Amino acid sequence: QQPVQSPQAVILREGEDAVINCSSSKALYSVHWYRQKHGEAPVFLMILLKGGEQKGHEKISASFNEKKQQSSLYLTASQLSYSGTYFCGTESYGGATNKLIFGTGTLLAVQP
Amino acid sequence: NAGVTQTPKFQVLKTGQSMTLQCAQDMNHEYMSWYRQDPGMGLRLIHYSVGAGITDQGEVPNGYNVSRSTTEDFPLRLLSAAPSQTSVYFCASSRVSGNTIYFGEGSWLTVV
Repeated sequence: QQPVQSPQAVILREGEDAVINCSSSKALYSVHWYRQKHGEAPVFLMILLKGGEQKGHEKISASFNEKKQQSSLYLTASQLSYSGTYFCGTESYGGATNKLIFGTGTLLAVQP
Repeated sequence: NAGVTQTPKFQVLKTGQSMTLQCAQDMNHEYMSWYRQDPGMGLRLIHYSVGAGITDQGEVPNGYNVSRSTTEDFPLRLLSAAPSQTSVYFCASSRVSGNTIYFGEGSWLTVV
């Protein structure tokens, strides 16, 4: 079952912040975050492997709440280059490992 | 370093035809997978493999076959193409579970 992402779309002005959420009905082993530009392949942002883990990459960071089966991606002081569709992917306990299931995506548009 | 290579990049098929999408990686990755991407549906897992000789079904396996005779190659076969299989197909690989997944550039398939 696909993880659920929210919001489905968000429009920002440069410099504004955004949060994208990803929730699953299953206990999670890992959460992956990717960004995809139109017509291109998804590009890796980060992986979170432990409950409560937080990771950062420049002005993009993420948290993983294992208990709530949720992850959030934080984009601060957004830049035009942040525009694209963001996907979370989850690996779950109880099923086969290495089976990465993606959410339906969040479209982020950053305007000047 | 080629990474993940998919061929062909574009293909038009007639309903009922069969074809194979090729995927090769040169990173000695154990894990390989195929996803299809349709508007509003995100990336959906078709089949995946955790090593040579081992394959398993993903979320949407019907109408597709895979095999993994070598670590490097993971071809996806469409047995009898249907218009519902019109999509963008991405091959991906990673070293092991919980590692960065690298995507190929995608294959745009249209079935008429």
